Amino acid sequence: EDKVVQSPLSLVVHEGDTVTLNCSYEVTNFRSLLWYKQEKKAPTFLFMLTSSGIEKKSGRLSSILDKKELSSILNITATQTGDSAIYLCAVLSAGGTSYGKLTFGQGTILTVHP
Amino acid sequence: GAGVSQSPSNKVTEKGKDVELRCDPISGHTALYWYRQRLGQGLEFLIYFQGNSAPDKSGLPSDRFSAERTGESVSTLTIQRTQQEDSAVYLCASSLAGGGPPLHFGNGTRLTVT
Repeated sequence: EDKVVQSPLSLVVHEGDTVTLNCSYEVTNFRSLLWYKQEKKAPTFLFMLTSSGIEKKSGRLSSILDKKELSSILNITATQTGDSAIYLCAVLSAGGTSYGKLTFGQGTILTVHP
Repeated sequence: GAGVSQSPSNKVTEKGKDVELRCDPISGHTALYWYRQRLGQGLEFLIYFQGNSAPDKSGLPSDRFSAERTGESVSTLTIQRTQQEDSAVYLCASSLAGGGPPLHFGNGTRLTVT
């Protein structure tokens, strides 16, 4: 059974701090790893990572995949209160009767205090 | 509308009753997914539709759960004889092509079984 584990489960920081969120996975037929941010309702897409070692960056957020270690990290620098959210990691695997099945981790709840 | 639309946004029902949740995907999106999110947890895959192919139902937790999709449009998730453990947010997502991740989520239906 595919498994995705995130750590820490929750994190409390102050504005300006830098945070690193972790995601590790055990899946068959790995295709890609995705990060989502979930505030109140719908998760919103952040990054999709397919190749190892290539950093993806968007403003203060960046992420990288290590396929040898079966893991990924999401970094947020100079955190702001608006970064408070649940960060979800998901792994897309192929095979079986269909493609496109994402397996999600439990999420990391990030709280940024002013 | 521009995004994935789900209705109702909230549903309170008595244990034992049937409920039907609706999802309108983004027009042109061939792939549609249902996920369940219990309080404080990650997303749990339920079912995946891709075009006219047989759906991947491997995530449905019991035979009380079923889902239908007409062509590449609306989908309904039905839960029969609801139980308290069915209380969760049910999220729908759609994507342009099968095999691609769900990049577009709806705001979900919060189901409370009393």
